[in-house]
Amino acid sequence: GESVGLHLPTLSVQEGDNSIINCAYSNSASDYFIWYKQESGKGPQFIIDIRSNMDKRQGQRVTVLLNKTVKHLSLQIAATQPGDSAVYFCAENMNSGYSTLTFGKGTMLLVSP
Amino acid sequence: DGGITQSPKYLFRKEGQNVTLSCEQNLNHDAMYWYRQDPGQGLRLIYYSQIVNDFQKGDIAEGYSVSREKKESFPLTVTSAQKNPTAFYLCASSIDLGGYGETQYFGPGTRLLVL
Repeated sequence: GESVGLHLPTLSVQEGDNSIINCAYSNSASDYFIWYKQESGKGPQFIIDIRSNMDKRQGQRVTVLLNKTVKHLSLQIAATQPGDSAVYFCAENMNSGYSTLTFGKGTMLLVSP
Repeated sequence: DGGITQSPKYLFRKEGQNVTLSCEQNLNHDAMYWYRQDPGQGLRLIYYSQIVNDFQKGDIAEGYSVSREKKESFPLTVTSAQKNPTAFYLCASSIDLGGYGETQYFGPGTRLLVL
């Protein structure tokens, strides 16, 4: 499939390692954040979300951390698997009165067996 | 099986031609969106719609048009005025467009190529 990850920051890990993907968001007034996973040639897939009244949220093998002081969002993936290889990007809702999202450019995660 | 479908998967456009990309959802969502994705870039919003018969321009609406005659459907037309249409086009939907932030769910995408 076609690549959507040209010239993106890349994180390479070994299978079984924990992965941390970071995102700096732009607007201190943003109140809602989402992490998406996008495999080559496919549409983005929802992973996990967090609202601004929380610092941490856990899902299955994934954890999102929100640091509003420095406008930083991270996605932690435990026991990374080859199937986790994809582009990951964050999105923020800038609380502009309606629910459009602003997307980051993404990070490519490469998992070696 | 609920979800968002986009067709076709690949679309070829000749110079000067208008082409229409289809997006259908059976999630009963009120809000729908169109994004453009270029290699190494984040998603950029073309148009969005809060409700039937209403839509708003996004950040890069020039050269595109949409309609929202049915809740389930939000087709995007790439007109001849769009001089650089080659991209991956993604349709999304969310429950509504309320001010508190809603998760957007995406279709599989349509890749548009210029002949």
